Amino acid sequence: DIQMTQSPPSLSASVGDGVNITCRTSQTISNYLNWYQQRPGKAPKFLIYGVSNLQTGVPSRFSGSGSGTDFTLTISGLQAEDFATYYCQQSYRTPWTFGQGTTVEVK
Amino acid sequence: QVQLQQWGAGLLKPSETLSLTCAVSGESFSDYFWAWIRQPPGKGLEWIGEVRHSGNFNYNPSLKTRVTISLDTSKTHFTLNLGSVTAADTAVYYCARQNHKAAAGTFGVKVFDSWGQGTLVTVSS
Repeated sequence: DIQMTQSPPSLSASVGDGVNITCRTSQTISNYLNWYQQRPGKAPKFLIYGVSNLQTGVPSRFSGSGSGTDFTLTISGLQAEDFATYYCQQSYRTPWTFGQGTTVEVK
Repeated sequence: QVQLQQWGAGLLKPSETLSLTCAVSGESFSDYFWAWIRQPPGKGLEWIGEVRHSGNFNYNPSLKTRVTISLDTSKTHFTLNLGSVTAADTAVYYCARQNHKAAAGTFGVKVFDSWGQGTLVTVSS
């Protein structure tokens, strides 16, 4: 299985801050990397696919970058609704696997 | 706009079989893979498996011996059965649609772009 390691596990930030969440994979996955957002008690929401492509309707303050084994989700100018847990996921090879999540908390 | 509505028993005893159903509306049932994903309390997401209208399926090897995902195309439902459950199977279970998105540098990226509301299944004696 391809292992997904996210860092940090959690971070504290304020509205307006910029944050970076890192995802590292145990083997190269080319550009087959997706990101999801999950608010407490809710189903995950699909944000970004193929490293850097925003799903329709996702605000432009979200961006993704990286390649190979190292990827980053950036939120530029946090909004109140962005405080949530974020998961990376690889779609290079089954079994599809997710990172353990990074929780963005209010400072 | 696709909608996924899921239901099933929320409390099971060890060794029983978990059974959940997901109804799909608002979109063609035959064009996609339909998946189950679970999330133990306070933990991350685990893909269980997926099935397509054509009969193709993929299962997570860690659960493969206990899992069956089936389709009822006449009703546009798909069902998860997980046998011989233990406390380790306690989780919120989600159904989801797997879509295929064009992206540079790939042959198309598989994503879970629509999700059911989730069902908490607790295994306890």
